[in-house]
Amino acid sequence: GNSVTQMEGPVTLSEEAFLTINCTYTATGYPSLFWYVQYPGEGLQLLLKATKADDKGSNKGFEATYRKETTSFHLEKGSVQVSDSAVYFCALSENSGYSTLTFGKGTMLLVSP
Amino acid sequence: GAVVSQHPSRVICKSGTSVKIECRSLDFQATTMFWYRQFPKQSLMLMATSNEGSKATYEQGVEKDKFLINHASLTLSTLTVTSAHPEDSSFYICSARDLGAEAFFGQGTRLTVV
Repeated sequence: GNSVTQMEGPVTLSEEAFLTINCTYTATGYPSLFWYVQYPGEGLQLLLKATKADDKGSNKGFEATYRKETTSFHLEKGSVQVSDSAVYFCALSENSGYSTLTFGKGTMLLVSP
Repeated sequence: GAVVSQHPSRVICKSGTSVKIECRSLDFQATTMFWYRQFPKQSLMLMATSNEGSKATYEQGVEKDKFLINHASLTLSTLTVTSAHPEDSSFYICSARDLGAEAFFGQGTRLTVV
């Protein structure tokens, strides 16, 4: 079956540091890949997505590249802000539509001033 | 993006009682709603998928009689945890989407059964 593995948190960084949150997946076929973010007290929000190999999703300074050869979709940001503190979820769906999602466990990011 | 409102955000109930959680799509019609459960430090696990006006489809291992899902309208789905026990304590999250669109998530409900 499908599965998503992401690094355990919390990840603690100082403001303006470089961020990487690793995500690898196991899936049949060619899934679509997503990063969701959950700010404290709020629901999950779609941060970025990629639907095929070598696609790069980007939003709000975050980016992730769909790497089929390494089955990875690592999230990166060049300079984090305190307001980026949240829980980040990597997820996949089996087809190009928005069918049921398989999530990773989530990685908490804490950014200090 | 579209807004999905989930209520309540937190609930504490006594063992043996039932708890209802509501999920509303505020500015779009949700043809499909999903209910997830999240244990501490675990993934969001899909419990069931519901389409408006039809019975929910439950994932393997999820008790239908325990977790009652009603999707009576295009903007409202409810999850009722019946005869709750401490092991039902968890974080429950709903998501909703209309035809062909991305899924939008509610804020989640922290259920504690004492």
